[in-house]
Amino acid sequence: AQSVTQLDSHVSVSEGTPVLLRCNYSSSYSPSLFWYVQHPNKGLQLLLKYTSAATLVKGINGFEAEFKKSETSFHLTKPSAHMSDAAEYFCVVSDSTGGSYIPTFGRGTSLIVHP
Amino acid sequence: DVKVTQSSRYLVKRTGEKVFLECVQDMDHENMFWYRQDPGLGLRLIYFSYDVKMKEKGDIPEGYSVSREKKERFSLILESASTNQTSMYLCASSWGQGSGNTIYFGEGSWLTVV
Repeated sequence: AQSVTQLDSHVSVSEGTPVLLRCNYSSSYSPSLFWYVQHPNKGLQLLLKYTSAATLVKGINGFEAEFKKSETSFHLTKPSAHMSDAAEYFCVVSDSTGGSYIPTFGRGTSLIVHP
Repeated sequence: DVKVTQSSRYLVKRTGEKVFLECVQDMDHENMFWYRQDPGLGLRLIYFSYDVKMKEKGDIPEGYSVSREKKERFSLILESASTNQTSMYLCASSWGQGSGNTIYFGEGSWLTVV
């Protein structure tokens, strides 16, 4: 069975400071991992994904994430926050458990960016 | 670009009404999904479909049904709407059976049941 835990429900940063959104996963197989972003009243947009290639994954808008198998983590980072980064972020795990590929979503982390 | 279109963005329905939420994707994706999103609970899978006329229950199927008569269209049906079904509903689609396939989302449908 697969599961994902987002360790913080809210993260608050000042504009220009680094962003760290934490995600731990559990999977019986080699998983694929994703980060999605959701701006208010919008659908989810893919930020980046890991699919067993390079462990450091670069995404859109300056975000990146590192797959660490030993720590079962896939934390999302950005060197310098921008006001437009304020949104809800979801970590997602997907593996081939039971022959299906149904992704499991974390509960989300709300990123607040202060001027 | 992949487009997933949810025809109704905001709906207000009365308790007991039958409600249809429509979703269309334009990329010939095999997989389509309906999620419900509530604050603090993240996204919860209601139903998904791997092919035309095929459906599988997700984590919270009670009170819902679905229809997939054509590959591009996946409808969510609330047979008798109740106030606890007030929520945001997200449709999504993806290609094939790989675990690494990106899921594409619609903009969401806000449903209020009064």
